[in-house]
Amino acid sequence: QQQVKQSPQSLIVQKGGISIINCAYENTAFDYFPWYQQFPGKGPALLIAIRPDVSEKKEGRFTISFNKSAKQFSLHIMDSQPGDSATYFCAVTSFGNEKLTFGTGTRLTIIP
Amino acid sequence: GAVVSQHPSWVICKSGTSVKIECRSLDFQATTMFWYRQFPKQSLMLMATSNEGSKATYEQGVEKDKFLINHASLTLSTLTVTSAHPEDSSFYICSARAPAGMSYNEQFFGPGTRLTVL
Repeated sequence: QQQVKQSPQSLIVQKGGISIINCAYENTAFDYFPWYQQFPGKGPALLIAIRPDVSEKKEGRFTISFNKSAKQFSLHIMDSQPGDSATYFCAVTSFGNEKLTFGTGTRLTIIP
Repeated sequence: GAVVSQHPSWVICKSGTSVKIECRSLDFQATTMFWYRQFPKQSLMLMATSNEGSKATYEQGVEKDKFLINHASLTLSTLTVTSAHPEDSSFYICSARAPAGMSYNEQFFGPGTRLTVL
C-alpha cells in the first residue's frame, strides 16, 4: 500500500516559471511533511518541511502549500532556474515514528 | 552543522565477495541511523533502522543475514553486504536522525555509495 502518492513523475518548466509538484497521503496521523532535493549521484537534501498546524510555509523561492482536509501538500518553486533541475521527493512521517516514507519522486527539468 | 559522510563513495566488487560501507555523523551524535537503497530512477527504500548499541531493525523483505548492520558508536554505522551478487548493485544511502534540539523527525542524509557487483 502506497502511503504517499506523488505527481507528476516528470516535469519540464521554462526558466523563470513556476514548478509545482504534488503529494497526497492517506494516514491522518502523519504530522511532518518534508521535501527533499536530490541531484544525480548524490544523497537527498532537505529543502523545506511543514507541519499540519500551518497551511503554507515559504523559504526563499520554495513554498509548501498544505491542505489538511484534502490530505495533500505541494511544493512550489518560483522563478525556476536551471540549477533547480533535480529529482524532488516528498516524504511523510508522524510523531513517535522515526521512519520517513518517501514519494515516488519527480524529475524536474528547467529549460532556458 | 549536521553533516553525514559515507565511505566509500563508490565500490566495484566481484560476485561472492563482501563489501563494507561506513556512515559517519561528523559533527553530532546520532543514536539512530537509517540505511536506504535506491535503484536508478526510483525512490528511496528503507532497509533498516540502526540504533547505537543494539541490533538493527530490518524492514520486511530485507535479508538481515545478507545486509549486516553495526552501530557501534554514536557517530558510526556500517552496512556490510555479504556474498554480494549483481542484483545487489545499487545506490546505498545512510541518514542520521537529527540531534536533540532540532526537529525530531528530521534526517540528515549522506552522499550515498554506488555499489557495482560484477
